[in-house]
Amino acid sequence: GAVVSQHPSRVICKSGTSVKIECRSLDFQATTMFWYRQFPKQSLMLMATSNEGSKATYEQGVEKDKFLINHASLTLSTLTVTSAHPEDSSFYICSATTGGRGDTQYFGPGTRLTVL
Amino acid sequence: GDSVTQMEGPVTLSEEAFLTINCTYTATGYPSLFWYVQYPGEGLQLLLKATKADDKGSNKGFEATYRKETTSFHLEKGSVQVSDSAVYFCALDSGSARQLTFGSGTQLTVLP
Repeated sequence: GAVVSQHPSRVICKSGTSVKIECRSLDFQATTMFWYRQFPKQSLMLMATSNEGSKATYEQGVEKDKFLINHASLTLSTLTVTSAHPEDSSFYICSATTGGRGDTQYFGPGTRLTVL
Repeated sequence: GDSVTQMEGPVTLSEEAFLTINCTYTATGYPSLFWYVQYPGEGLQLLLKATKADDKGSNKGFEATYRKETTSFHLEKGSVQVSDSAVYFCALDSGSARQLTFGSGTQLTVLP
C-alpha cells in the first residue's frame, strides 16, 4: 500500500513552454502533498506544501507564479512550471501524507524535467 | 530552526562489510526521525522510522535507534550487499507542519 505515482517520469520541452506534472496517491487519501526539487548529487529542497482544497504554501524564494500548484482532490496534486527556462531543469519529486504527527511521507518516483 | 547533519560521503565498502552512517539532528519539541533511500534515477523510499526516544526502526537488515540524549539516529547494517548501493537520507518531522527536514544525503557504494 501507500503508493504515489508521478506523471510524466521524464519530459523535455522548449524554453518558454509550460509543463504540468501530476502526483497521485493511488491507494490512500492524501490530505497534504509536498513538492520538492532536487539538483544533481544534492538533497531535496522543499518547494511548497499543498492541502486539498486550499492554496499551496510556498517556501521562501520559490516563485508562486512560476510554479503553480493545484491540489484539487485528496488523490491528485499538480505542479505546473510556467514559461520554463533551462535553469528550471531539475528532478521534481512529490510526496503525500494522510497527516498527523509522525505520519510517513510517501514519495513519488520523480519527474526529470529538461528545458532546452 | 530544525536541521539534520549527516555523515559526508561518499562511502565505499566491500560486500559483507559493516555499515554506519551517522546522523544527528537539532529540533524543537519531539520530532519523528526517518531514513529514506534513493536508488539512481528514482524517488525516495522510506527505509525505516522511529517516532519517540529509544525506539528502534528496522527494515531489510538496516537499523537505527532514536537517541534523544545524543540527538542521533545513526543507520547501521551488519553486512551490506551490492544492491544496497544508493543514496541514504536522514530526515526529521517536527510535527507542527508535517514537513520533512532532510540531511544532505550519503552516497553508499558497495563493491563485490
